[in-house]
Amino acid sequence: QAVVTQEPSLTVSPGGTVTLTCGSSTGTVTSGHYPYWFQQKPGQAPRTLIYDASDKYPWTPARFSGSLLGGKAALTLSGAQPEDEAEYYCLLSYGASRVFGGGTKLTVL
Amino acid sequence: EVQLLESGGGLVQPGGSLRLSCAASGFTFSSYTMSWVRQAPGKGLEWVSDITDSGGITYYADSLRGHFTISRDNSKNTLYLQMNSLSVEDTAVYYCARPYCSGGCYSPSYWGQGTLVTVSS
Repeated sequence: QAVVTQEPSLTVSPGGTVTLTCGSSTGTVTSGHYPYWFQQKPGQAPRTLIYDASDKYPWTPARFSGSLLGGKAALTLSGAQPEDEAEYYCLLSYGASRVFGGGTKLTVL
Repeated sequence: EVQLLESGGGLVQPGGSLRLSCAASGFTFSSYTMSWVRQAPGKGLEWVSDITDSGGITYYADSLRGHFTISRDNSKNTLYLQMNSLSVEDTAVYYCARPYCSGGCYSPSYWGQGTLVTVSS
């Protein structure tokens, strides 16, 4: 089974910009992996932010954007807010199988 | 409003079985592929299984195939996860989820609140 890798933790200043990445043990992440990004706060269910690498949901705050960058999927947060402090997960598809990354704990400080 | 309500979690002994349910409302359940995702305490998310709208095709994480069975009853708007031969490693919150459809359908997008399964003697 493929392994999906994320930074264990990142810190961003309020109002700052940060990019989280999502890599695959099988090589370059492409649109064919249909990358998703999720936000999860303690004690809450996940909230899906991005699908198909860069598409947003109606509920996705405008400050979040997704892309494919340097062979990985990326989630960029521009203008971080205190409420963006959370765990962020990516999800990649491998044919009939799907694998989550281990998550990135984002601190806004 | 899309609502997904999981139930059936609880304490079970190693080697035991449990069936989880996910009651769906606020949408046409029979039109959507559905998913189960789990999260062990203090750990990350793990995709468990998907089932197509008719129930005719199922997908499983490699490590769980033969161990868990996903099914659905479209007449009852309910998704199920039958879990057998449970071990302590199956202790987790189990979430059901459905797609968001705009053009295509993208899942998991809408999530339930989860049900906790604890496997312990």
